[in-house]
Amino acid sequence: DAGVTQSPTHLIKTRGQQVTLRCSPISGHKSVSWYQQVLGQGPQFIFQYYEKEERGRGNFPDRFSARQFPNYSSELNVNALLLGDSALYLCASSSLGDTEAFFGQGTRLTVV
Amino acid sequence: AQSVTQPDIHITVSEGASLELRCNYSYGATPYLFWYVQSPGQGLQLLLKYFSGDTLVQGIKGFEAEFKRSQSSFNLRKPSVHWSDAAEYFCALNTGGFKTIFGAGTRLFVKA
Repeated sequence: DAGVTQSPTHLIKTRGQQVTLRCSPISGHKSVSWYQQVLGQGPQFIFQYYEKEERGRGNFPDRFSARQFPNYSSELNVNALLLGDSALYLCASSSLGDTEAFFGQGTRLTVV
Repeated sequence: AQSVTQPDIHITVSEGASLELRCNYSYGATPYLFWYVQSPGQGLQLLLKYFSGDTLVQGIKGFEAEFKRSQSSFNLRKPSVHWSDAAEYFCALNTGGFKTIFGAGTRLFVKA
């Protein structure tokens, strides 16, 4: 079975641009979470979605948004990119009620 | 507020020597606790988890962790380290909600 898949694997954007990151959860998992991992730090929670509804949001500005589709895949959008948005963005999927999250390989975003 | 502290930013261990990585958490009750490993540029792989019951938890790759409620700790151990264990290790907790809180990580170096 395929694990959590994320695309693209690497991305370079210019300050002020917008970016969309994609995630496909493990088959059967209906919950998707997004994390930001800045170099040298642990992952920080951004969003969790279940059944297309946002269930939780971390301490991130409104420039960050996400959505979940009927097939449970998800997109993370970041507008007006800043240099500080450069990070590894991790997607994780889980079953509802299961606190164990399964992580993808991440998307490395570099903002120049 | 819940938090996870990993006191050691990096640790160097000789190959074949034993390993202990420290983790302390802050939460009023017993959380769900996890240890993840991350190789450079990769996503997170779950090593082991503690939900309840036996306080000594066995994981993959020969790792184990012990939950100590009195010390609010969940230290990771391995009796004999291999060069392939060199990576970043993250302790994490979930209180049964929608997000997982990570520590800042401990980088493990293995010397021959």
